[in-house]
Amino acid sequence: DGGITQSPKYLFRKEGQNVTLSCEQNLNHDAMYWYRQDPGQGLRLIYYSQIVNDFQKGDIAEGYSVSREKKESFPLTVTSAQKNPTAFYLCASSVQPGNTQYFGPGTRLTVL
Amino acid sequence: KQEVTQIPAALSVPEGENLVLNCSFTDSAIYNLQWFRQDPGKGLTSLLLIQSSQREQTSGRLNASLDKSSGRSTLYIAASQPGDSATYLCAVANAGNMLTFGGGTRLMVKP
Repeated sequence: DGGITQSPKYLFRKEGQNVTLSCEQNLNHDAMYWYRQDPGQGLRLIYYSQIVNDFQKGDIAEGYSVSREKKESFPLTVTSAQKNPTAFYLCASSVQPGNTQYFGPGTRLTVL
Repeated sequence: KQEVTQIPAALSVPEGENLVLNCSFTDSAIYNLQWFRQDPGKGLTSLLLIQSSQREQTSGRLNASLDKSSGRSTLYIAASQPGDSATYLCAVANAGNMLTFGGGTRLMVKP
């Protein structure tokens, strides 16, 4: 099956801890994206990567970090510097930037 | 900075009704516009993508139009069904190909 997978589906974190959200795609897409969604709101771009070993900050990158060492993987780390991390996190990919984006099922992060 | 607004925020209609969802954007210099569907607690599913040079796209009971000069797009759903109940999100891509999303319209179709 081709697609985008995110894990875990639910994640709980204590204040002060860093956590890493996984995003994997087997669609052979060059571009990958991380978005944050707060209740009743649209998505906001955190980071994006147009090609392996390259990534750019989105609108709300503070307190987050990413890596793109492999084409199929784009993990997101939520650091302790992110003051309000409780949200729904969505990963997406596209063949190239500007093409249709395909989304994963999301990870719901809750800070206890 | 691009801003995308969707009106109404929520909509409830009886089954079988035709309906229109609205999306407006402030910067008309867009690359394309996409409509997505999101079910509760799930990811997004792309419904339609309209390139900036196009006026509309159709898929089954869905029709999306784009008026770039006025900064508007509409999603028309014909003969609505309870299975259409979801949140519908509009997103515009700028010259850098990054998407800016609206807040969504939460649709409920009652049997």
